[in-house]
Amino acid sequence: DQQVKQNSPSLSVQEGRISILNCDYTNSMFDYFLWYKKYPAEGPTFLISISSIKDKNEDGRFTVFLNKSAKHLSLHIVPSQPGDSAVYFCAASGRNNNDMRFGAGTRLTVKP
Amino acid sequence: KAGVTQTPRYLIKTRGQQVTLSCSPISGHRSVSWYQQTPGQGLQFLFEYFSETQRNKGNFPGRFSGRQFSNSRSEMNVSTLELGDSALYLCASSPPSQTQYFGPGTRLLVL
Repeated sequence: DQQVKQNSPSLSVQEGRISILNCDYTNSMFDYFLWYKKYPAEGPTFLISISSIKDKNEDGRFTVFLNKSAKHLSLHIVPSQPGDSAVYFCAASGRNNNDMRFGAGTRLTVKP
Repeated sequence: KAGVTQTPRYLIKTRGQQVTLSCSPISGHRSVSWYQQTPGQGLQFLFEYFSETQRNKGNFPGRFSGRQFSNSRSEMNVSTLELGDSALYLCASSPPSQTQYFGPGTRLLVL
């Protein structure tokens, strides 16, 4: 059961432009959402998170937006840098619940 | 602080064999979760252990099992290996917050 979906397997943007990665979920019980970044041959690393009581969280070049009514979240990276090229996973979990569900990932390529 | 470590990093087995993977969490983290990553499937949740007890379980067959020791180290076992079990197995540990910190993974190839 794909409770978390990332419908774009890949995304290519030019350096300096904005990257927008999207994620949809189906379970309205999800309470906490995260984005992870993964380089080849490494485990995913935590990037940014947002709880369901917020609709936006910003950390430097990274901003996550949550639209609970649409069950949609997005990650904005601006400006994009070549070092941002990686696979980005969206994840969601319920309150006090470490049963975290991940999307299939979106491969971001930032071209110099 | 040392990160999550997983051993071995790479493993080749044949169908029908069994395998045990090991994970050492970040010091002080009591929750350990296991995930399977295959191309196109993203990260699929296997199970989560907290204080030596399995707290959550994903939708995997009984051939996949795990345990956690009193020092929070965890092992995952897969019996009667199938070709489709070839994947990257990731372990993640977490403090009381919900942010998980991942190890580098064990890449398993079943021939």
